[in-house]
Amino acid sequence: DVKVTQSSRYLVKRTGEKVFLECVQDMDHENMFWYRQDPGLGLRLIYFSYDVKMKEKGDIPEGYSVSREKKERFSLILESASTNQTSMYLCASTRGQGSADTQYFGPGTRLTVL
Amino acid sequence: SQQGEEDPQALSIQEGENATMNCSYKTSINNLQWYRQNSGRGLVHLILIRSNEREKHSGRLRVTLDTSKKSSSLLITASRAADTASYFCAPKGAGSYQLTFGKGTKLSVIP
Repeated sequence: DVKVTQSSRYLVKRTGEKVFLECVQDMDHENMFWYRQDPGLGLRLIYFSYDVKMKEKGDIPEGYSVSREKKERFSLILESASTNQTSMYLCASTRGQGSADTQYFGPGTRLTVL
Repeated sequence: SQQGEEDPQALSIQEGENATMNCSYKTSINNLQWYRQNSGRGLVHLILIRSNEREKHSGRLRVTLDTSKKSSSLLITASRAADTASYFCAPKGAGSYQLTFGKGTKLSVIP
């Protein structure tokens, strides 16, 4: 089974801190994604990566950056955390660009910015 | 990418009843996928139906697809308390890396 893990289930940070959220997948997947999920807004795509060192902006990239130095690891970075970035963050991966590809999700990180 | 829109937003049924939720989308697709999310957790893939399929079954799940109406439905038969979750549809167009999820249908199954 594909396993996608995220570094923390719960995280509390202060405004202005630099925050790293880590995601690791163990099935040699090409594509990785970061979403945030907020009540009433559903899942929104922040960034995705289709290869090592490659990244594409999603629908809401402002205030975030990403890093993919190794195929299995995709990091989401909040350069200077703000209270409006309090949210549930979900990482996902897919094998390739095939239309039949399904997304495998991690358990999520609930981030609170005080 | 295109977004699916689930309906209803919330659904409450008794254990043993069937639950039906619907999804509409706007442009042509290669396939449509359904996912489940238990409270506070990640999404789990349930079933994928291709654009040339009209119906697909997986255990107690039945998915239909009507490309002429740009709609899909997910039926869960003989529901259980453990089916309580949010359900999302994700239509996927050709050549797209990403899926766009809607706001989901929140299903509550009362024991």
